[in-house]
Amino acid sequence: GNSVTQMEGPVTLSEEAFLTINCTYTATGYPSLFWYVQYPGEGLQLLLKATKADDKGSNKGFEATYRKETTSFHLEKGSVQVSDSAVYFCALGGTGGFKTIFGAGTRLFVKA
Amino acid sequence: DSGVTQTPKHLITATGQRVTLRCSPRSGDLSVYWYQQSLDQGLQFLIQYYNGEERAKGNILERFSAQQFPDLHSELNLSSLELGDSALYFCASSPQGFLQETQYFGPGTRLLVL
Repeated sequence: GNSVTQMEGPVTLSEEAFLTINCTYTATGYPSLFWYVQYPGEGLQLLLKATKADDKGSNKGFEATYRKETTSFHLEKGSVQVSDSAVYFCALGGTGGFKTIFGAGTRLFVKA
Repeated sequence: DSGVTQTPKHLITATGQRVTLRCSPRSGDLSVYWYQQSLDQGLQFLIQYYNGEERAKGNILERFSAQQFPDLHSELNLSSLELGDSALYFCASSPQGFLQETQYFGPGTRLLVL
């Protein structure tokens, strides 16, 4: 069946460090891929998305490229800030089956 | 602010009781989704409605039920509550209910069962 696997956290970085959070997926068809972010005490909100292979989603300095050949959608940011501390969820949708599949979430702590 | 509202924000109740969680989707969105977020299970999809009709069902227990009303708001009913039902319950909405769409999440209802 469809699934999403993302790297376990927590990830702890110093401010201005480079961030990568790995996400790989298993799916039939051609899913859309998403990164959602959950700040402390809030609901999830979309960070970025990509709807087809080789698309790059970007927002707020974060980027992820839809790689069909490696079934991956890794999240990257060149220089993290303390305000990026949150839980990040990789998700896929739009493929066989009628539910969005979320990864387990990766908690990021950024130290000043 | 996503435009999705959920009430109540917090709920404390006892085992065996029944509660109702309410969600109002973003203006113009026809589809509503319910999720449960707990520390050990992560984010679990419960159920999806589109324009009043059930569209998809996930890991929803038989003790739980939901509906979407003609004005498009939705309610999630949890009955015979157990300690393990303590969690954050999120509602999300999207325009047409297609899974390629972005889902807009509400702030959640935190349920504590004692």
